[in-house]
Amino acid sequence: NAGVTQTPKFQVLKTGQSMTLQCAQDMNHEYMSWYRQDPGMGLRLIHYSVGAGITDQGEVPNGYNVSRSTTEDFPLRLLSAAPSQTSVYFCASSYSFSNYGYTFGSGTRLTVV
Amino acid sequence: AQSVTQLGSHVSVSEGALVLLRCNYSSSVPPYLFWYVQYPNQGLQLLLKYTTGATLVKGINGFEAEFKKSETSFHLTKPSAHMSDAAEYFCAVSDRGGGGSQGNLIFGKGTKLSVKP
Repeated sequence: NAGVTQTPKFQVLKTGQSMTLQCAQDMNHEYMSWYRQDPGMGLRLIHYSVGAGITDQGEVPNGYNVSRSTTEDFPLRLLSAAPSQTSVYFCASSYSFSNYGYTFGSGTRLTVV
Repeated sequence: AQSVTQLGSHVSVSEGALVLLRCNYSSSVPPYLFWYVQYPNQGLQLLLKYTTGATLVKGINGFEAEFKKSETSFHLTKPSAHMSDAAEYFCAVSDRGGGGSQGNLIFGKGTKLSVKP
C-alpha cells in the first residue's frame, strides 16, 4: 500500500500564479484533510472532506479551494498565490474522522516569491 | 472551542534520561487524544492515542502517555531517551463528533526534542 501520496514534493511559485497540490490515498478512507505547517504554529486545518462530494472549511481556508470527486483524491487549489502561503502542506486521511488517527502524506514544501 | 497547549517549544535531554513532554487540553467533553512524531523532512507518524478505556496508553518506540481528566493533561513519557528519538512531537485533540462537530484534529504547536550524547 502506498498510503497517502502527495505531489509535488517541492514547488516555487511567483505571486499571483495558481497551482494544484495533489493528494491521493489508496486505503478507502472517507475522511481527508489538508493542513499547513508553519514554524512555531503547529498544524492548522485548511479544508477537510468527510466523503466524496462533501467538503468544508477548517481554521485557515482563505485563498484555498478544494473538491472531492472521488474517495481517493483530494486536491488543494491555490487560485492566486501569495507570499503568506509559503508553507509546508500536509494531506491526511482517516477511516473515521474522530478516533482512528490520521495517516499523513510526506508533505509539499511551497515557496511563493 | 477545543485547544491544545504544549509546554516548552524545545526540550533537551541526555541519552538515557527520562523524556517528559507536556500537553494540556481544553475541551467541553471527554476528548480523543493523540501524540504524533515528525522526523526532519517527513510527515507525521502516530505514536499513540487515547480514545476510551485504560488511561495509560503505550505507543511505538517505548513511549507512553497517561490521560488525566482532573488535570486535563496527556503528557508523553519515555523512561530512557535514545539518539533516534530526536524529532518534533505534536499533541492533538479531537472531540467525538456529532452535534455539528466534525471531530477534526486540533494540534498543539509542537515540542522539538533534542537528545545529547
